[in-house]
Amino acid sequence: VTQTPKFQVLKTGQSMTLQCAQDMNHEYMSWYRQDPGLGLRLIYFSYDVKMKEKGDIPEGYSVSREKKERFSLILESASTNQTSMYLCGSGRGQETQYFGPGTRLLVL
Amino acid sequence: AQSVTQPDIHITVSEGASLELRCNYSYGATPYLFWYVQSPGQGLQLLLKYFSGDTLVQGIKGFEAEFKRSQSSFNLRKPSVHWSDAAEYFCAVGVQGAQKLVFGQGTRLTINP
Repeated sequence: VTQTPKFQVLKTGQSMTLQCAQDMNHEYMSWYRQDPGLGLRLIYFSYDVKMKEKGDIPEGYSVSREKKERFSLILESASTNQTSMYLCGSGRGQETQYFGPGTRLLVL
Repeated sequence: AQSVTQPDIHITVSEGASLELRCNYSYGATPYLFWYVQSPGQGLQLLLKYFSGDTLVQGIKGFEAEFKRSQSSFNLRKPSVHWSDAAEYFCAVGVQGAQKLVFGQGTRLTINP
């Protein structure tokens, strides 16, 4: 699972798309954010192309899955409370979910 | 609602000592349970998982975990830690199978030489 970019600095109000790609033919892909003391929290989840489901904290985010191997997280208007580490996961059925190295986002 | 609690935010052990990291979950059905490890600057790596069957599961790097339904626990153990085990450890429960995960807050492990 690969994620781009590795690190990004944004100003409040700017838009940004975080990219995630996998080459394992997984049907499931997901976006989590990781914050100290809170662990990882699910933002959005996709179980097929163009299919998505909200996770626990979808507010302020949207997603796009136009191809099976790619799942994008979109911040339309970034806010400081979206400063975080973002992790993408992918998997198949009841098998292990694999995670990318993460994108660290700083919103000033 | 599903939840996972890792009561220990930070644990320090000496190299060669035994380790137990605690994990308690709340989930109505039979859970899918996972332990992941995150080394500094790295992504998450799966240590082990429990889906069904034997309640004592073996993982990579010498780790094991025991599922105890009566206690809603899935504690991680290692008989002798190495300096390279210093990392953050996350327990997770799978909701709707293995692909939607609810994570605990994480336990940071420090190893004293």
